[in-house]
Amino acid sequence: NAGVTQTPKFQVLKTGQSMTLQCAQDMNHNSMYWYRQDPGMGLRLIYYSASEGTTDKGEVPNGYNVSRLNKREFSLRLESAAPSQTSVYFCASLGWYRINYGYTFGSGTRLTVV
Amino acid sequence: AQTVTQSQPEMSVQEAETVTLSCTYDTSESDYYLFWYKQPPSRQMILVIRQEAYKQQNATENRFSVNFQKAAKSFSLKISDSQLGDAAMYFCAYRSAEGDDKIIFGKGTRLHILP
Repeated sequence: NAGVTQTPKFQVLKTGQSMTLQCAQDMNHNSMYWYRQDPGMGLRLIYYSASEGTTDKGEVPNGYNVSRLNKREFSLRLESAAPSQTSVYFCASLGWYRINYGYTFGSGTRLTVV
Repeated sequence: AQTVTQSQPEMSVQEAETVTLSCTYDTSESDYYLFWYKQPPSRQMILVIRQEAYKQQNATENRFSVNFQKAAKSFSLKISDSQLGDAAMYFCAYRSAEGDDKIIFGKGTRLHILP
C-alpha cells in the first residue's frame, strides 16, 4: 500500500542517548515534514523539507536534526535525548494521493525518554 | 505569522445527531488551503475535508461539510448523522498557497459520540 512508513512505532530511550526516526514515502511527493504531538498542544512542526536536498526549521527545532537522504526518505535524529522530547512523532508528506491533495501521515512513533 | 484556533477542547454529541466543530484562523494572505483532519484512537491522521480559499462554495464529503467564512476567517466542520466511528480528535489546519510549505495545526477538539 502506498503511503508514509515510519519506524520504529515505539521507543524508550535513556536521557543522553541518541536515535534516528526513519520515514519513507512512495508517493513521489516533494515535501516532507516532521511533527511532534503533545497533549493539549496539537501538532507542532519540527523540521520540513520542500524538496530533496533542502531542509528548514519549523516551530520547535531545538534538539533535533534532519536528513533528506533522497526524495523518498526524511529522517529525524535526536543527538542527546531529553525527557522534554517525550512525545509522539509524526512524519508526513504533501501531494496528490489518489484523488486527494493534502498531507499523508505516517502512523507515528511514541517516544519515551526516561 | 498565521495561527489556527480551536476554542472547544472537547465536545459531545448524541449518535445520529449533528455537531459543529469551530475553527478560526488568522492570516494576512489571500490564497491558502484549510483542512480538517481526524485522529482516532489508532493515532492515524486522516484527511476529512479540504477547502481552497479562492472557492466560495463550501466543501462537502458525504456526512462532513464545512462552513467557510473567509471574511470572518472561520472554518467550521459539520458532521451530520453522527456515528460511533466519528469519535476522535479533530484538527483544523492551515497552509499558505503563496510559497511557504508549512502547515499549521490547531490544538484539536476531542469529539465524543454518545450512544
